[in-house]
Amino acid sequence: GENVEQHPSTLSVQEGDSAVIKCTYSDSASNYFPWYKQELGKRPQLIIDIRSNVGEKKDQRIAVTLNKTAKHFSLHITETQPEDSAVYFCAASGGYSTLTFGKGTMLLVSP
Amino acid sequence: KAGVTQTPRYLIKTRGQQVTLSCSPISGHRSVSWYQQTPGQGLQFLFEYFSETQRNKGNFPGRFSGRQFSNSRSEMNVSTLELGDSALYLCASTPGQSANTGELFFGEGSRLTVL
Repeated sequence: GENVEQHPSTLSVQEGDSAVIKCTYSDSASNYFPWYKQELGKRPQLIIDIRSNVGEKKDQRIAVTLNKTAKHFSLHITETQPEDSAVYFCAASGGYSTLTFGKGTMLLVSP
Repeated sequence: KAGVTQTPRYLIKTRGQQVTLSCSPISGHRSVSWYQQTPGQGLQFLFEYFSETQRNKGNFPGRFSGRQFSNSRSEMNVSTLELGDSALYLCASTPGQSANTGELFFGEGSRLTVL
């Protein structure tokens, strides 16, 4: 089955810095790669996703890149703000609403 | 539009008991999936239902089961509870008609504590 590795497990940055979280996946059949943000005590919510026919996608301060050959994808957050502090999960899917998640990255943005 | 609703939100059980958790998806969504969230293992896929049929199942023992009703509401059951079953159980819904995965809309979860 699919296996998703996520690094780092914790990331501390100063407000205004950039943050990068990296994930690798094992199943070349996976074709959908979302990123979810989970604030403390709340439900995971999708912040950005990318499909395998696209190499990069951007939404304001957030961007995701995908390298299918190397089977890795990354989340980039620029100009970080304290409200970006949360746990971020990457995931991979081959279809049918089934996601394999990485173990998460706790991002702490200090003012 | 109401979001995904899970009940109960919190429950405490003892080892050996069984538990049933309920999930009502967003109106019009026909796919419901379940995930177990623990601090050590993150989010792990349990199973996914579409139109009352289980389409996918994760690597959990047979003590974990689920079903979906004709109105798309879903239940999951865990029998013979073990301490390691303590977790947040998250339900998510999607329209589901396409084989392509899209955004999963999560409920707030049911937090199960096994003593």
